[in-house]
Amino acid sequence: GIQVEQSPPDLILQEGANSTLRCNFSDSVNNLQWFHQNPWGQLINLFYIPSGTKQNGRLSATTVATERYSLLYISSSQTTDSGVYFCAVEGLGGGADGLTFGKGTHLIIQP
Amino acid sequence: DSGVTQTPKHLITATGQRVTLRCSPRSGDLSVYWYQQSLDQGLQFLIQYYNGEERAKGNILERFSAQQFPDLHSELNLSSLELGDSALYFCASSVDGANVLTFGAGSRLTVL
Repeated sequence: GIQVEQSPPDLILQEGANSTLRCNFSDSVNNLQWFHQNPWGQLINLFYIPSGTKQNGRLSATTVATERYSLLYISSSQTTDSGVYFCAVEGLGGGADGLTFGKGTHLIIQP
Repeated sequence: DSGVTQTPKHLITATGQRVTLRCSPRSGDLSVYWYQQSLDQGLQFLIQYYNGEERAKGNILERFSAQQFPDLHSELNLSSLELGDSALYFCASSVDGANVLTFGAGSRLTVL
């Protein structure tokens, strides 16, 4: 099946800093989503972005499908941004395997 | 509140027992997905239903089964429980089965 690698695995930043999280995938995809799992365990869908660029407030994401990677940018970090960020993909074969999740980037924003 | 409701939030049981987890999708969503999150395996896709029919099957054990009812709620049944089944079980829903997911808060299962 499709492989998803996220980097870095851990990231500790001060409040106000900017960060870039990366997701590499092993095959062509027709579905890519970014999720944030907050410290209480809730998974929140941030972006559906199989290609192109999207922005939502301080967060933006870019997927370069031809080069098989996606980036999540967080600007002016706040302590509430802490948690684990997951990238999840679905290959061109369709949804038979569901979304495949990466292992996540654990982000800690210190005040 | 995501609109996807899962019950119970927490469940503690013993090995060999059987439990049922329940999920109500967002209003208007036809597709329900079940995922398991454990420390060693991460987030794993278990199964998907669309409008009452099984659409996709992932790494779901034979001891586990699921169904989606006519009112679109879904249940995940876990039987002959083992210590390794302890995990957070998520339900998610989407409008049309296109895999753009909204997750519920999860059900945390502890098997002692």
